Amino acid sequence: GAVVSQHPSRVICKSGTSVKIECRSLDFQATTMFWYRQFPKKSLMLMATSNEGSKATYEQGVEKDKFLINHASLTLSTLTVTSAHPEDSSFYICSAYGTSGRARNEQFFGPGTRLTVL
Amino acid sequence: GESVGLHLPTLSVQEGDNSIINCAYSNSASDYFIWYKQESGKGPQFIIDIRSNMDKRQGQRVTVLLNKTVKHLSLQIAATQPGDSAVYFCAENPPRSGTSYGKLTFGQGTILTVHP
Repeated sequence: GAVVSQHPSRVICKSGTSVKIECRSLDFQATTMFWYRQFPKKSLMLMATSNEGSKATYEQGVEKDKFLINHASLTLSTLTVTSAHPEDSSFYICSAYGTSGRARNEQFFGPGTRLTVL
Repeated sequence: GESVGLHLPTLSVQEGDNSIINCAYSNSASDYFIWYKQESGKGPQFIIDIRSNMDKRQGQRVTVLLNKTVKHLSLQIAATQPGDSAVYFCAENPPRSGTSYGKLTFGQGTILTVHP
């Protein structure tokens, strides 16, 4: 149990296009999901906290208009990278914080999405 | 302040040796700490956690030590195996309140390479 999926696992897009990444908690509910960004050989950097039914909270230095987050249900959060540029190429990882059952008060990570912007 | 991502230090060991991976955390008020293993191209995988009211916790082949005085965590892996090769991150959870609930700050990570 307590599986988090991300879709797509890899995406290549042209500069200027927008890309949507989905994060789903498959067998538990998560009122809070987190989005991280990771560059090669670097640590995970928290981008934003996504709360179901409310606006996301962004970390300092993260452009909210650039990285749109929607958390429309207790099992789904989406991150849209708008007008992507090569410097947005990175590994994006989500995590979901369980609020019930065996996943309660535990955080589970997705497998990540590799974004490459040409 | 938050831990900042830096180029990752490396640790190379021989199969069967014990490994010790160290981490300095940043927030003296953090009350929960987790070690994660990340294999190439994958998300972090939970290894072991420890709360601030403890200084040691043991799992299967792993032990985490917490020294709050110097804000230091270590992960000890016994009888290291080639399958343990990965990047290891510590993460700290500040006191849970408001929007920081569940929020983690990751340390810089260590690349562990186990040679057969």
